[in-house]
Amino acid sequence: QSVLTQPPSPSGTPGQRVTISCSGSSSNVGRNYVYWYQQLPGTAPKLLIYRDNQRPSGVPDRFSGSKSGTSASLTISGLRSEDEADYYCAAWDDSLSGVLFGGGTKLTVL
Amino acid sequence: QVQLVESGGGLVEPGGSLRLSCAASGFTFTEYYMSWVRQAPGKGLEWVSYISSDDYTIYYSDSVKGRFTISRDNAKNSLYLQMNSLRAEDTAVYYCARVHEWFLPDYWGQGTLVTVSS
Repeated sequence: QSVLTQPPSPSGTPGQRVTISCSGSSSNVGRNYVYWYQQLPGTAPKLLIYRDNQRPSGVPDRFSGSKSGTSASLTISGLRSEDEADYYCAAWDDSLSGVLFGGGTKLTVL
Repeated sequence: QVQLVESGGGLVEPGGSLRLSCAASGFTFTEYYMSWVRQAPGKGLEWVSYISSDDYTIYYSDSVKGRFTISRDNAKNSLYLQMNSLRAEDTAVYYCARVHEWFLPDYWGQGTLVTVSS
């Protein structure tokens, strides 16, 4: 059972803004950087956000990240059909001395 | 461009062993820490192990500690995962991943499927 909690299955329509949350604790999200990954069906994960709110080159600015305390969020603006995917948050956990992934959020674009 | 190509997956009986390999190219392998991450069928991502660029620092998840061994050969730009005493719950796609910073990956391979079944 993951200790980074993500909502299960949000949905949105094209053009909308969707926010996916990631709730952790003081030993992970509260103390260390959060990364976000996008996994399209049948493919490997792709890095979307690093260091809480930084986008790698090539990631559209429709994707943004934020963090407050022990919770982080990924916001997708101007939703597109190709954004339909699984999204995972991740962070190092000081207590476990290991990487934690959130349980994943399956985003549906209606 | 960064390329990570895993190999070595397959069907193995419970209690058996398997060695996964990951061939890296497109970046200076010796400058990067590396990781293995797995994904059981229809499930989420699970971090497995991490190795520093000089082999000095290694971490394992509790679920594989004592059974799996991560290693690397910097001369061959390769990462390995020796998996022993395999269990049904180890069935997953295993991804090789380059560590960006803070122990977290940036680039991922396409994965290799390991199936543990009799």
